[in-house]
Amino acid sequence: QKEVEQDPGPLSVPEGAIVSLNCTYSNSAFQYFMWYRQYSRKGPELLMYTYSSGNKEDGRFTAQVDKSSKYISLFIRDSQPSDSATYLCAAAYNQGGKLIFGQGTELSVKP
Amino acid sequence: GAGVSQSPSNKVTEKGKDVELRCDPISGHTALYWYRQSLGQGLEFLIYFQGNSAPDKSGLPSDRFSAERTGGSVSTLTIQRTQQEDSAVYLCASSSRVVTTDTQYFGPGTRLTVL
Repeated sequence: QKEVEQDPGPLSVPEGAIVSLNCTYSNSAFQYFMWYRQYSRKGPELLMYTYSSGNKEDGRFTAQVDKSSKYISLFIRDSQPSDSATYLCAAAYNQGGKLIFGQGTELSVKP
Repeated sequence: GAGVSQSPSNKVTEKGKDVELRCDPISGHTALYWYRQSLGQGLEFLIYFQGNSAPDKSGLPSDRFSAERTGGSVSTLTIQRTQQEDSAVYLCASSSRVVTTDTQYFGPGTRLTVL
């Protein structure tokens, strides 16, 4: 079993929809949680990170961590075709820099 | 400024051959990471370097894999006696320090195909 699990999709939504992307993790020692976006044939880029439980908002994006259920979510409001990409969640135990990634969810936003 | 660059962008090799993949990190970044991304899999950590400290090699899948970083800058990932299961995209990232909250900036990757 992978330490961070993510439904690979693909997920297809119409433009303007609210998108919910989710991951679960198994190790309660994880303290840092990240979301990366990866366009086709490109390297991943960091969207946002969260420390411990709680919410974090950045524009149309909201990251949510529930440590009690070991659940990580990313919400995208008013989704745009330019949001079409693979979204990867990641977790880290501490400040050591080593990230554990989920499999990634492929998202397609249709005009 | 320039981002992380990797070369070659694509590499096709025959089973049993050795390959070398190169990464040029962002200037001034002391931390450098290698990851592997296989079809349908997330990124798998391989190794990281932090300044002059001993590298964390805990993610290397076998002793056929090795990496070095010369002069605290350019890094080379070497795979000896390649196998078909080594086919993947190899991604390099760099950050200011090996600190989780320092953003890792990724290169475009090298797509390795082992025939």
